[in-house]
Amino acid sequence: GAVVSQHPSRVICKSGTSVKIECRSLDFQATTMFWYRQFPKQSLMLMATSNEGSKATYEQGVEKDKFLINHASLTLSTLTVTSAHPEDSSFYICSAREAQKPQHFGDGTRLSIL
Amino acid sequence: GQQVMQIPQYQHVQEGEDFTTYCNSSTTLSNIQWYKQRPGGHPVFLIQLVKSGEVKKQKRLTFQFGEAKKNSSLHITATQTTDVGTYFCAGTHIINDYKLSFGAGTTVTVRA
Repeated sequence: GAVVSQHPSRVICKSGTSVKIECRSLDFQATTMFWYRQFPKQSLMLMATSNEGSKATYEQGVEKDKFLINHASLTLSTLTVTSAHPEDSSFYICSAREAQKPQHFGDGTRLSIL
Repeated sequence: GQQVMQIPQYQHVQEGEDFTTYCNSSTTLSNIQWYKQRPGGHPVFLIQLVKSGEVKKQKRLTFQFGEAKKNSSLHITATQTTDVGTYFCAGTHIINDYKLSFGAGTTVTVRA
């Protein structure tokens, strides 16, 4: 089945650090990738949608300068949390899909900012 | 924006019993998908429903899509401890058919 790899799985870093998270589709070409944020015991909140070679579309309330998304190829998207602060601590999950097919999720990245 | 409502939020089930989780949308959905997330894990795709009135089964799980394509349900029979986790429905709306709107999820715990 479709496999999406997300790395790293866990990050602990100091306030002010920038953190990059990678999302790769391993066995299919992802025309679209999505980035979600999930707080404990809550649902997934879509942050942004990215299509290969174009700028990401951010959801309302998500700061694009804070959460930089790059979708350089059909198999790779990155999310960079710039100058992270404790309130950015969360579980970040990417997903990828081929056109007209269901999304498949990465394992998620648990980000802890001290 | 488009939203998908899901109930109940929590479901505590005796092993061997059945339960159902429900999703509703105020607008017509293109399709609805169901995911299961185990504690500490990521959502895993279970199934997609596309047709009005569609019913699909996966062993003890039965998924339904309403005739109006505005609601869906997941029914699990003879609950087992392996069914523990959070079940999310996620719909795509006709207007934004590439984005998933997730329900709040139903967190299931099982007592042996």
